[in-house]
Amino acid sequence: TQLLEQSPQFLSIQEGENLTVYCNSSSVFSSLQWYRQEPGEGPVLLVTVVTGGEVKKLKRLTFQFGDARKDSSLHITAAQPGDTGLYLCADPGGATNKLIFGTGTLLAVQP
Amino acid sequence: DTAVSQTPKYLVTQMGNDKSIKCEQNLGHDTMYWYKQDSKKFLKIMFSYNNKELIINETVPNRFSPKSPDKAHLNLHINSLELGDSAVYFCASSQVGRRIAFFGQGTRLTVV
Repeated sequence: TQLLEQSPQFLSIQEGENLTVYCNSSSVFSSLQWYRQEPGEGPVLLVTVVTGGEVKKLKRLTFQFGDARKDSSLHITAAQPGDTGLYLCADPGGATNKLIFGTGTLLAVQP
Repeated sequence: DTAVSQTPKYLVTQMGNDKSIKCEQNLGHDTMYWYKQDSKKFLKIMFSYNNKELIINETVPNRFSPKSPDKAHLNLHINSLELGDSAVYFCASSQVGRRIAFFGQGTRLTVV
């Protein structure tokens, strides 16, 4: 079974700081997704990366897929309180459609 | 219009009781899931149905029985509730080939 380890587990920062969250796998991803879950809500898809080395940007969020497709990172520039939430990487599961989530990073951005 | 809706949002019940959580999606998707999120926020897949057929069953106790009356609904029935069943349960749906999952707001189950 593929394990998706995220680090750090918790992160508390001040508004305006930058941060990076990591997702590592024991095996190769066919593709990888990042979700954000706000308190009291379900996860919402942010991005899907497919190609090794791929970089995608979503406003202040930059997602990178490792060259070997075994890891990914999410970088947030100038974090804002609205970025607070649980960030989850996920393997969409190839042909099985079995969506497997990482261990999660809980981010708190203090005003 | 809510894409994936779950009811109830909160459920408090005593050990040994039987309870059900309902889920409906209006996205026309063919695949639906149940996930359990524990106190450490780990989101673990429990079941997946495609076109009303069970395709994933992840070592879940047989006290948990999913039922899909049609493609738009996937309900979760839990018998003989235990303290360890306390968690947030999420329903989700997706379309085969598109791999974008949409989640409900969750049902917080507390067993006392």
